[in-house]
Amino acid sequence: EAGVAQSPRYKIIEKRQSVAFWCNPISGHATLYWYQQILGQGPKLLIQFQNNGVVDDSQLPKDRFSAERLKGVDSTLKIQPAKLEDSAVYLCASSRSGTNEKLFFGSGTQLSVL
Amino acid sequence: GENVEQHPSTLSVQEGDSAVIKCTYSDSASNYFPWYKQELGKRPQLIIDIRSNVGEKKDQRIAVTLNKTAKHFSLHITETQPEDSAVYFCARGDNDMRFGAGTRLTVKP
Repeated sequence: EAGVAQSPRYKIIEKRQSVAFWCNPISGHATLYWYQQILGQGPKLLIQFQNNGVVDDSQLPKDRFSAERLKGVDSTLKIQPAKLEDSAVYLCASSRSGTNEKLFFGSGTQLSVL
Repeated sequence: GENVEQHPSTLSVQEGDSAVIKCTYSDSASNYFPWYKQELGKRPQLIIDIRSNVGEKKDQRIAVTLNKTAKHFSLHITETQPEDSAVYFCARGDNDMRFGAGTRLTVKP
């Protein structure tokens, strides 16, 4: 089966600019996650979708970050405006039906904010 | 959901020795405990997982133990090999999936 697709692979922007990341989960996977992984740290859950509904966005900085999952399939994560501390790898993951299952990760988007 | 604490942050062992990484959680509703391995520049990959109705699970050189009363679970790697060198993350799942901060394991030949 095809894996989780993410784009772009790399992005360099200046602070206060905006950026968007795209994720297409494995076909049929109901649950989609966005994680932020700062160098040397564990993945931090930003938002979790079940189909097109939000399950958890308690750690999403909602003043600058937004995410949507159109029609319960692919998803977009946006940052506007970006700060230096947003420099990280943004990982998208999906699972078949919930949080008690294996997560399949995409290759991530490495964001550098200058 | 609550996060999960992971220790140690770094671990260095000699090839052939055992390695143990421990995680603790606070939310008693957590019922799924996976372990992921992340090699440099790559995505995390599941290596083993355990559910709350089981106390131990083994897969060749890797085992995971769960103590629900004490709310901790551990990863055990026996007969370590250089290719086991990576960062290991524990996680816990109930309504969401939260990860620990990671343990950088180095296996010296």
